[in-house]
Amino acid sequence: SQKIEQNSEALNIQEGKTATLTCNYTNYSPAYLQWYRQDPGRGPVFLLLIRENEKEKRKERLKVTFDTTLKQSLFHITASQPADSATYLCALAGDSNYQLIWGAGTKLIIKP
Amino acid sequence: NAGVTQTPKFRVLKTGQSMTLLCAQDMNHEYMYWYRQDPGMGLRLIHYSVGEGTTAKGEVPDGYNVSRLKKQNFLLGLESAAPSQTSVYFCASSIDGYNEKLFFGSGTQLSVL
Repeated sequence: SQKIEQNSEALNIQEGKTATLTCNYTNYSPAYLQWYRQDPGRGPVFLLLIRENEKEKRKERLKVTFDTTLKQSLFHITASQPADSATYLCALAGDSNYQLIWGAGTKLIIKP
Repeated sequence: NAGVTQTPKFRVLKTGQSMTLLCAQDMNHEYMYWYRQDPGMGLRLIHYSVGEGTTAKGEVPDGYNVSRLKKQNFLLGLESAAPSQTSVYFCASSIDGYNEKLFFGSGTQLSVL
């Protein structure tokens, strides 16, 4: 079955630098992959979706890449700010409709 | 436009008690989902619905029941709560079930003693 690996250790980044988070999967390449942000005590909030035929997607300071050969997606936040501190979740399309497979998330801490 | 609203936000149950979590969405979405989130694990799908009057099992359905009598509401029931059901529960909705982003509620923290 499909498994997702996100770095379980918190990522500490200096303000202004680029933060890069990793999402690795183990099995089939999903049709699409999504990234969400989750703040403490809140539900996840959608950020970006990238399809299997897309190598890169951008939205303001955010960039997502999708490498089906490496079975990996990278999530970048450029010019990071303390307000970007949160847990970031990746989710892959499952092998059946309607079901996403979720990573456990990586906690990002941006230090002033 | 409230989005997805979950009630209650917190609940403490004793083993064997029952309860219902309510999820309401005002975006006219067809698809609704119930997830649980446990420390160190990804969100796990409990049940989902692809439209009014329909429900289906997700990854971890045992011990839970759901109903979708109205399009805007999706109820999650625990008939006989167990400590293993201590978790944070999230409801979500989407326009359709594939290639679409999910909109989440703020969650319910449930503790079963």
